[in-house]
Amino acid sequence: DAGVTQSPTHLIKTRGQHVTLRCSPISGHKSVSWYQQVLGQGPQFIFQYYEKEERGRGNFPDRFSARQFPNYSSELNVNALLLGDSALYLCASSLLDRNEQFFGPGTRLTVL
Amino acid sequence: AQSVTQPDIHITVSEGASLELRCNYSYGATPYLFWYVQSPGQGLQLLLKYFSGDTLVQGIKGFEAEFKRSQSSFNLRKPSVHWSDAAEYFCAALPGAPGGYQKVTFGTGTKLQVIP
Repeated sequence: DAGVTQSPTHLIKTRGQHVTLRCSPISGHKSVSWYQQVLGQGPQFIFQYYEKEERGRGNFPDRFSARQFPNYSSELNVNALLLGDSALYLCASSLLDRNEQFFGPGTRLTVL
Repeated sequence: AQSVTQPDIHITVSEGASLELRCNYSYGATPYLFWYVQSPGQGLQLLLKYFSGDTLVQGIKGFEAEFKRSQSSFNLRKPSVHWSDAAEYFCAALPGAPGGYQKVTFGTGTKLQVIP
């Protein structure tokens, strides 16, 4: 079975631009969570979505938004990019009645 | 505040030696606990998890972890380290019951170096 997939794998943007990252969960998983991992740190929770609704949000500014589609895939959008947004963005999927998340390989975002 | 602490930023061990990576958590109630491994440029792979029951948990790749409520710890161990174990290891915690808000809190990670 395919695991969690994310696209693109790498992305380079300049300050002020907008970016969209995509995630496809494991088949049958209806919950998707997004994490930001800055170099040298552990992942930080950004969002959790379930059945197209936001279940939880971490301590991130409103420049960060996300949505989930009927097929349970998800997009993370970041507006007005800052240098500090450079990070590995990880997507994780799970069954809501299980507390185990499966992570994708991540999207490496570089903001110049 | 809920937190996960990994006191060791970097650990170096010889191949074949034993390994213990430390993790402490601070939560009002015992959370669900996890250990993940991350190779350079890769996502996170779950090594093992503790929800309840037996406090010694077996995972993949020969790893195990012991939950100690009295010490709020969940340390990861391996009897004999292989060169391929070199990676970064993250301890993580999740409060609440199934079906709820699934915000996982990660520690800052421990980078493991294995020398021949």
